[in-house]
Amino acid sequence: QKEVEQDPGPLSVPEGAIVSLNCTYSNSAFQYFMWYRQYSRKGPELLMYTYSSGNKEDGRFTAQVDKSSKYISLFIRDSQPSDSATYLCAMTVNQGGKLIFGQGTELSVKP
Amino acid sequence: GAVVSQHPSRVICKSGTSVKIECRSLDFQATTMFWYRQFPKQSLMLMATSNEGSKATYEQGVEKDKFLINHASLTLSTLTVTSAHPEDSSFYICSARVGGRTEAFFGQGTRLTVV
Repeated sequence: QKEVEQDPGPLSVPEGAIVSLNCTYSNSAFQYFMWYRQYSRKGPELLMYTYSSGNKEDGRFTAQVDKSSKYISLFIRDSQPSDSATYLCAMTVNQGGKLIFGQGTELSVKP
Repeated sequence: GAVVSQHPSRVICKSGTSVKIECRSLDFQATTMFWYRQFPKQSLMLMATSNEGSKATYEQGVEKDKFLINHASLTLSTLTVTSAHPEDSSFYICSARVGGRTEAFFGQGTRLTVV
């Protein structure tokens, strides 16, 4: 079993839809959680960073962490074609620890 | 802020030659840099972690003599692929982290093709 599981998709939605991206993890020691967006042939770009359970909002993006269920989510409201990319979740046990990535979910937002 | 610049973005080399990839943190001092390899439609595979002024820590299965990593300053780390072979063709990405911070910032990636 992988430490971090993420549905690879692809996920296709119409423009304006609400998108839900999810990751589950098995290591209860993970404390820090991140979401990255990666466009084709580019490096990942940090979108959201959270530490505690609960929600964190930034514009159209909301990151949600449920440590009791070992489950994290990224919601994208009013999705745009420019949101089409691969979304990677990442997590680590401590501040200096290496990041463990999910496989990434490929998202396509159709105009 | 938190810009990481990686060069070159694309390189083609002949089998048997060596290739150097540079990773620079432009607006912060990176105490730790990471090097990843990514295959098409797959996640990032951590190759090694380097701290400024010390030897890199390689992940299991990564040949340290083949993938030479140097982190000579707080803003520069280099990855040299020595005696490259076609199976080394891949997308290589660096990331950098500021001391005391958890999130890492990534370079643009380098697509290496060995012919």
